[in-house]
Amino acid sequence: EAGVVQSPRYKIIEKKQPVAFWCNPISGHNTLYWYLQNLGQGPELLIRYENEEAVDDSQLPKDRFSAERLKGVDSTLKIQPAELGDSAVYLCASSLGGGPEQFFGPGTRLTVL
Amino acid sequence: QKEVEQNSGPLSVPEGAIASLNCTYSDRGSQSFFWYRQYSGKSPELIMSIYSNGDKEDGRFTAQLNKASQYVSLLIRDSQPSDSATYLCAAQESGYSTLTFGKGTMLLVSP
Repeated sequence: EAGVVQSPRYKIIEKKQPVAFWCNPISGHNTLYWYLQNLGQGPELLIRYENEEAVDDSQLPKDRFSAERLKGVDSTLKIQPAELGDSAVYLCASSLGGGPEQFFGPGTRLTVL
Repeated sequence: QKEVEQNSGPLSVPEGAIASLNCTYSDRGSQSFFWYRQYSGKSPELIMSIYSNGDKEDGRFTAQLNKASQYVSLLIRDSQPSDSATYLCAAQESGYSTLTFGKGTMLLVSP
């Protein structure tokens, strides 16, 4: 069974530029999560989807971050414009039916110069 | 504010020893607990889950949960250099699938 797929794996951009990350969850997993992980910290939830509905986006900085999961499968997270403090690893995870066990993708390491 | 606390380490143990990793949580509504292993530059990998008080064993790993003390631990028996990684503890409130992670404990196993 294929795991969670994310792309790109690495991204370097200049501040004020836009950037987008893509995630394809494990087949059949209807719950999808985007997490942010800073160096030396645990992952922090940005947004959680149940199918195509965003059910928890309380920690998403909506002034610059947006996300979508139009068909309830893959998802895109966008930052526009990026700031220096956005440099981090962006992790996507999925679970079956909001079940307790979440499985992470390889992450996208973003560097904002 | 839900918090999960872990000692950042590093915890250094010799090969073959037992490594003991600890975690406390603040939210008494938390019902499910998880240990993730994260190698440097890699994403978290789920290694253990525990939902009820007591011990749960899986190979060289034993997770322990004490809800009264709000305490979770992970024991790694016969530690190997390949176990060197950061171990993240996570808690989940009942009926609410978001995980709250600790900052992780770095484990170093020396040959």
